[in-house]
Amino acid sequence: EDQVTQSPEALRLQEGESSSLNCSYTVSGLRGLFWYRQDPGKGPEFLFTLYSAGEEKEKERLKATLTKKESFLHITAPKPEDSATYLCAVRKGGSYIPTFGRGTSLIVHP
Amino acid sequence: DVKVTQSSRYLVKRTGEKVFLECVQDMDHENMFWYRQDPGLGLRLIYFSYDVKMKEKGDIPEGYSVSREKKERFSLILESASTNQTSMYLCASTRGTEAFFGQGTRLTVV
Repeated sequence: EDQVTQSPEALRLQEGESSSLNCSYTVSGLRGLFWYRQDPGKGPEFLFTLYSAGEEKEKERLKATLTKKESFLHITAPKPEDSATYLCAVRKGGSYIPTFGRGTSLIVHP
Repeated sequence: DVKVTQSSRYLVKRTGEKVFLECVQDMDHENMFWYRQDPGLGLRLIYFSYDVKMKEKGDIPEGYSVSREKKERFSLILESASTNQTSMYLCASTRGTEAFFGQGTRLTVV
C-alpha cells in the first residue's frame, strides 16, 4: 500500500532559524512528488514537483530535495509569513491520483 | 495560471438537505477530484473523474455522489446532509502531474 508520512507533525521556529521538513514515502514507480503550502481556511497552493532522486527545486526561502525514499523541504531563514501547513503528495506510475501525507504545521515566531 | 473555482467559501445547511458543491477549472484538465479535509485526518479522496461522465469512487464515497456533464465542471452532491459531513471540501484538477486546488468550501451541517 502506498504511504506518505510527514514529520514532524508540528514545528515551531524563531524567525531566521533554518530547519527541514521530512516526507518519507513508499510507492512503486514514483511518477512525481509534490509539495504544497496551505494557509488556514484555504486550499493547498502548489509549490514544487520533483521527479527523480537527486533533483532539487528552489523558490525564495524554500528548497525541496528528493532521494529514493524521502523528500526534504528546507526552509532557510524563515519569516513569520512562512507559517502554514506544508503538504507532501506522491503519484505512482499508472495512476493520476496523488496520495497525500497529513502535513507539517509550521509556525514561525517573530 | 490555472484556476480552480469552487462556488462557495462557506455554507451552512440543515440535516437532511440535499447539498450541491460546484467546481470549475479553466485549464482543460481531464482529471478532477473531490477531497474532504478534517483535522488529524488529512486529505481524503471522495470521488474522482478522468473524463466527462466518467467517475470513480475514492476512499470515502458513502453519502456522496458526483456529476460531470462538462469537462470543466465537477459537482459534489450530498444526497441527505448529516452532521458528520461538516468539513472542509476541496476540489482539484490535473492533467496528470501536479494537482491544482480550489479555495475550499467550509460546509457546516446543523
